[in-house]
Amino acid sequence: QKEVEQNSGPLSVPEGAIASLNCTYSDRGSQSFFWYRQYSGKSPELIMFIYSNGDKEDGRFTAQLNKASQYVSLLIRDSQPSDSATYLCAVNIAANSGGYQKVTFGTGTKLQVIP
Amino acid sequence: EAQVTQNPRYLITVTGKKLTVTCSQNMNHEYMSWYRQDPGLGLRQIYYSMNVEVTDKGDVPEGYKVSRKEKRNFPLILESPSPNQTSLYFCASSLTPGRTPLHFGNGTRLTVT
Repeated sequence: QKEVEQNSGPLSVPEGAIASLNCTYSDRGSQSFFWYRQYSGKSPELIMFIYSNGDKEDGRFTAQLNKASQYVSLLIRDSQPSDSATYLCAVNIAANSGGYQKVTFGTGTKLQVIP
Repeated sequence: EAQVTQNPRYLITVTGKKLTVTCSQNMNHEYMSWYRQDPGLGLRQIYYSMNVEVTDKGDVPEGYKVSRKEKRNFPLILESPSPNQTSLYFCASSLTPGRTPLHFGNGTRLTVT
């Protein structure tokens, strides 16, 4: 089982609709969850991060975390063509040794917002 | 300006010719990491470093070396590059491993012929 799993998409939504992106993770000890947006050929940029169960809202974006079910989701309201990108879910997991943490990414979901 | 600086942005080389991709951050971050990105495979971790002189293998370390002699620098070394290392590489850093967001460099597109 992969440590972080995402549907690769593409997920196509019409302009103005809500886009829902999902991510599941395998490590029950994970405590930090991040969503990054990446345009083709560019570096990922942080959209949101969430640590606690429940919802976290920032403008048109809402992150939802359910630790019992081990999934985290990202909702994008009023989707715009400029939101078309790949969305990467990242989760902290225990490193190989030394009690450290590392960050592992899912393969990303490609979102297409149709004008 | 807080940033992660990678160099070079583009690199074309031949099989077997040693190369180094540099990464430097000016945010006093403890955690630094290298990723490679290939179509359909997402960001795969090559190596990461929790602090000076502390490094560990990620998911795809074969064919790569790293060092962390100073907190700000984390170079990626390919001692004998092969065509399967053609990829887009990203360096990233964060203040607290796994607790704070990663800051990414602009990427290095490497082609090995």
